[in-house]
Amino acid sequence: QVQLVQSGAEVKQPGASVKVSCKASGYTFATYGISWVRQAPGQGLEWMGWISAYTGKTNYAQKMQDRVDFSIDADTSTAFMELRRLKSDDTAVYYCARVGELRLSYWGQGTRVTVSP
Amino acid sequence: SYVLTQPPSVSVAPGQTARIPCGGVNIEMKSVHWYQQKPGQAPILVVYDDSDRPSGIPERFSGSNSGNTATLTISRVEAGDEADYYCQVWDSRGDYAVFGGGTQLTVL
Repeated sequence: QVQLVQSGAEVKQPGASVKVSCKASGYTFATYGISWVRQAPGQGLEWMGWISAYTGKTNYAQKMQDRVDFSIDADTSTAFMELRRLKSDDTAVYYCARVGELRLSYWGQGTRVTVSP
Repeated sequence: SYVLTQPPSVSVAPGQTARIPCGGVNIEMKSVHWYQQKPGQAPILVVYDDSDRPSGIPERFSGSNSGNTATLTISRVEAGDEADYYCQVWDSRGDYAVFGGGTQLTVL
C-alpha cells in the first residue's frame, strides 16, 4: 500500500533552517510528484509547491520561493523540504503528499515545526 | 491567482444531506478535488475529478461541478463525518495548486 512517512517534530529558533523528510513506499517513486502543504495552528491548508520525482523540476508558491528548497533522493525514494530563515509564523504542521493527475492522493502523517526563541 | 471560496461552517442533523459549496470563476472548467481532515489527522482525498471516489470512500460522498460552483454532497450524514472539508484545483497556467479556505462540518 502507498505510504508516505515523514520525519519527527522539530523546534527551531527564528532565523534557523529546518529540513523535513518524506519517505515513500508502495509505488514507483519516479512516476509521481511530491507536493508540500502546511497548516498553521487553527488555519487552513497552504500549498507550498511541488517537485517532480522524475525530473527534479520544482515549482514553488510565490510567497516563500526565496526561502524554500525541495529535493529528491531517488535511491531511497525520499523527498526533502528545507525552509530557511524561519519566522514565528512558519510554526505549522508540514505535510508531504503524492501528486499526480492534479490531485494529492496520499498524504504523510505531518511534521510539526515550532519556531520559538 | 485563482481563488476558491468556501463557507466557514455547515451544520446538518444526522441522517440528513450536507452540501458544501466551493466557488470559483468558471470552476466548471477545472477538475475539483475534495479532502476531509479530522482533528489531529492528515487530510484524505474523498472525491476527485469533480465526482469520482477513491476506493474505500463510501458512496454517500459525491460531488458535482457546474458554472461557478462545485459542491461536495454527503448523504445520510453520520457523526463520524464531522470534519473540515477542503476543495482544491490545479491552476495549469501557473502550475500550482489552490485550496479553498475549508468548511467545518458539524453534525448536530
